[in-house]
Amino acid sequence: DTGVSQDPRHKITKRGQNVTFRCDPISEHNRLYWYRQTLGQGPEFLTYFQNEAQLEKSRLLSDRFSAERPKGSFSTLEIQRTEQGDSAMYLCASSLVISGNTQYFGPGTRLTVL
Amino acid sequence: AQTVTQSQPEMSVQEAETVTLSCTYDTSESDYYLFWYKQPPSRQMILVIRQEAYKQQNATENRFSVNFQKAAKSFSLKISDSQLGDAAMYFCAYRSSGAGSYQLTFGKGTKLSVIP
Repeated sequence: DTGVSQDPRHKITKRGQNVTFRCDPISEHNRLYWYRQTLGQGPEFLTYFQNEAQLEKSRLLSDRFSAERPKGSFSTLEIQRTEQGDSAMYLCASSLVISGNTQYFGPGTRLTVL
Repeated sequence: AQTVTQSQPEMSVQEAETVTLSCTYDTSESDYYLFWYKQPPSRQMILVIRQEAYKQQNATENRFSVNFQKAAKSFSLKISDSQLGDAAMYFCAYRSSGAGSYQLTFGKGTKLSVIP
């Protein structure tokens, strides 16, 4: 079991550019979650998938954000037309239904928008 | 909506001593889960301990234990025999047990320093 992995670990971009992050969950975990964490705050929920279906989205997920999990394995989170307020750590977590849905987190992608 | 409050932004403890981190939450639900996660500097978040609200017995994991007071909506974490590696941000989190509600709601965290 290799744990949740995320790529890239760091991303610096200019305002207005599009960025995409990838998350690979723990093998066989059927649920995958995205959170955003800003400095000095706890993570805030963005969205989650069960297999390939996106079942819940937070109000924080504006129309500039889109997430996919095309084959029920890895997931991508895209931010279009980035703004300085998008600067944050983007965390991915995964869980397995039969193990009580305890969420295991990846190392995160730190986004800096200049 | 559920809320989680961690009233201690920072705490410190001497190595080998015991420290307790506080967490309170607000919910109208009777069944739910509570968690403590540890986030070391520049490292990923790790699950420390988990408690099911329907269980009266407090969860323990080696040097980590909780004091779960359901009526008071309090969920504190006790770290015994503190070690240098315990220095980190600690987040308390809540999750509903209802079907379809799997998101975690986190507090703002407590930064724990361990003094050698």
